[in-house]
Amino acid sequence: AQSVTQPDIHITVSEGASLELRCNYSYGATPYLFWYVQSPGQGLQLLLKYFSGDTLVQGIKGFEAEFKRSQSSFNLRKPSVHWSDAAEYFCAVGNNDMRFGAGTRLTVKP
Amino acid sequence: GAGVSQSPSNKVTEKGKDVELRCDPISGHTALYWYRQSLGQGLEFLIYFQGNSAPDKSGLPSDRFSAERTGGSVSTLTIQRTQQEDSAVYLCASSFRRSETQYFGPGTRLLVL
Repeated sequence: AQSVTQPDIHITVSEGASLELRCNYSYGATPYLFWYVQSPGQGLQLLLKYFSGDTLVQGIKGFEAEFKRSQSSFNLRKPSVHWSDAAEYFCAVGNNDMRFGAGTRLTVKP
Repeated sequence: GAGVSQSPSNKVTEKGKDVELRCDPISGHTALYWYRQSLGQGLEFLIYFQGNSAPDKSGLPSDRFSAERTGGSVSTLTIQRTQQEDSAVYLCASSFRRSETQYFGPGTRLLVL
């Protein structure tokens, strides 16, 4: 059965520091992979997605993610975090039967 | 253009009452999804509609939950005999086709007293 694991429930980073949010998945084939962000009181917004091709994908707001088939991972990265990046981040995998991870809450220290 | 809209934005009900939650997907999107997000939890898949095909109901937690999609557009999620554990944010999403990017509505926050 397909599943998504986000090992970190809560991460705190200082503004300007780099960020990496982890996502591991279990899926029968190469899945479609997504990262969404949910800011307080807001709906979910797509940051980036991977369907095929180049395994390093660029998204909005300076985020990127790398698909590593051998590790079944799709980690989200940003070189320099801004205070406005504080939010809940969800990794999702699948096809029509999408599965979301439990989310990672990002706190940004001034 | 208009995004996915959901109504009501907030709903407070008493235990045992039925509730209906509405979702208006983006025009032209053939796929529609319902999710539930409980406090501090990830998104739990509930049901998926694709065009005129039979819906994928595999995520519905009990037979108190049902959903329909009329005319391939608007969808209604119905919860009968609500329980306190049904309290959550119910999110609707639509996509142009299956497997493509889902666009989410703002959600309906349901509180069962």
